[in-house]
Amino acid sequence: SQQGEEDPQALSIQEGENATMNCSYKTSINNLQWYRQNSGRGLVHLILIRSNEREKHSGRLRVTLDTSKKSSSLLITASRAADTASYFCATDNTSGTYKYIFGTGTRLKVLA
Amino acid sequence: DAGITQSPRHKVTETGTPVTLRCHQTENHRYMYWYRQDPGHGLRLIHYSYGVKDTDKGEVSDGYSVSRSKTEDFLLTLESATSSQTSVYFCAISESRTVEAFFGQGTRLTVV
Repeated sequence: SQQGEEDPQALSIQEGENATMNCSYKTSINNLQWYRQNSGRGLVHLILIRSNEREKHSGRLRVTLDTSKKSSSLLITASRAADTASYFCATDNTSGTYKYIFGTGTRLKVLA
Repeated sequence: DAGITQSPRHKVTETGTPVTLRCHQTENHRYMYWYRQDPGHGLRLIHYSYGVKDTDKGEVSDGYSVSRSKTEDFLLTLESATSSQTSVYFCAISESRTVEAFFGQGTRLTVV
C-alpha cells in the first residue's frame, strides 16, 4: 500500500487565493518531499522537509510537518493560474531502504 | 534540468511481447527508480537501484525486471506485456534518499 495519501483529491480556487493540501503517511520517515506535475509532464521537486524540522518556506510555498500525527501540509499563497497542476508528497522511511514512496496526489485548478 | 532521458517516449506493443524501456542519466547519481503512474493510483514504485548491479523490488514489481550494468543506464523490461501494464512510466534519479529526486519526462506505453 502507498505510504502517503493526499487530501483533498481535487481542489479548485480563484487566482489570488491560498491553496492548502495535506499529506498523511504511515511509517516513521527521515524526510518528506513535495512535487508538482503539470499535465503530461514529469514531476518537479518543490521542497524537502526533514523529520526534525517543523516548517519550511520557499517563495510562495510553506510546508509544515507534524511527525506525531504523521502528516504534512503544503500551502501555496497568492495562487496563480500557472500553479494549476497535480501535487504529490513523497516519503522515505527509516527502515534503511532507498526508496521514495509517493501519494496519490491533489489536483489543483486555479481559475483566472 | 537534470540530465535524464527516457526512451522511447511512446510505444504501442502487443500482448505477450517483451518490451524494454531505457533510462539514461548524465548526472552520475547513485540511485535510480522506475515508477508507473495510473489514474487513481498516483505513482507506484516498480523497482529501484542503489548502485551498479544493486537493485530491489518496489510495490508493484510483478511482471517487471530491471538491470543496471553501468551507472548511467537503468533498464526496465516487461518480459511478456499485458494490458494491465498499459501506463505511463517514469524514471527518477537521486544522489541519495535524503535529497530530491529528478524525474524524466515519462514513457507512455500502450499494450493492445
